Amino acid sequence: DAKTTQPPSMDCAEGRAANLPCNHSTISGNEYVYWYRQIHSQGPQYIIHGLKNNETNEMASLIITEDRKSSTLILPHATLRDTAVYYCIVRVGLNYGGSQGNLIFGKGTKLSVKP
Amino acid sequence: ETGVTQSPTHLIKTRGQQVTLRCSSQSGHNTVSWYQQALGQGPQFIFQYYREEENGRGNFPPRFSGLQFPNYSSELNVNALELDDSALYLCASSFGGLGQETQYFGPGTRLLVL
Repeated sequence: DAKTTQPPSMDCAEGRAANLPCNHSTISGNEYVYWYRQIHSQGPQYIIHGLKNNETNEMASLIITEDRKSSTLILPHATLRDTAVYYCIVRVGLNYGGSQGNLIFGKGTKLSVKP
Repeated sequence: ETGVTQSPTHLIKTRGQQVTLRCSSQSGHNTVSWYQQALGQGPQFIFQYYREEENGRGNFPPRFSGLQFPNYSSELNVNALELDDSALYLCASSFGGLGQETQYFGPGTRLLVL
């Protein structure tokens, strides 16, 4: 089962920041937080990941709380093309031969960016 | 740099048949993972191949099998197809096989079983 909880849907106005929350209260010390998104019927697209510190790249920013029990993905200026299902995934850092390296997807948050 | 590619894009089979799906990993990647995504659900992990060996498996029956080739491309084979096998099949490639590396997904193959 997925170790994360996300709201099923959110709306955002075009040009505004989209803030997508994720709860992962049972996260372990060696587990990373990953974000992917999936635009209708396409393969998931990697966005960003982090362990403890906040991270930023050309797509988004990831804010992780100090206790690491929740995080927020921020799309600073949402466009219509950002309409997608966003998945927050908690994943172990190292795999010594088991299936821990796989991604466990929940149902994600369906973000609708409106004009 | 070439991304992850999959073939075919769409496929229709009948119950009981066998199917082979193909995946070419991103340049420089040596690990391929396969996922099944039913309509309205998130992707579910099938198995992972690292350096031509299975490196982890999800809760899928043995009729789901795979291969990885020396060039790190991969095949997913499904025998005795059932109606519930209708789904989007995704492959993702990564480098390292240690689990923490980022996986990059292909566009998927949509399989319909009639």
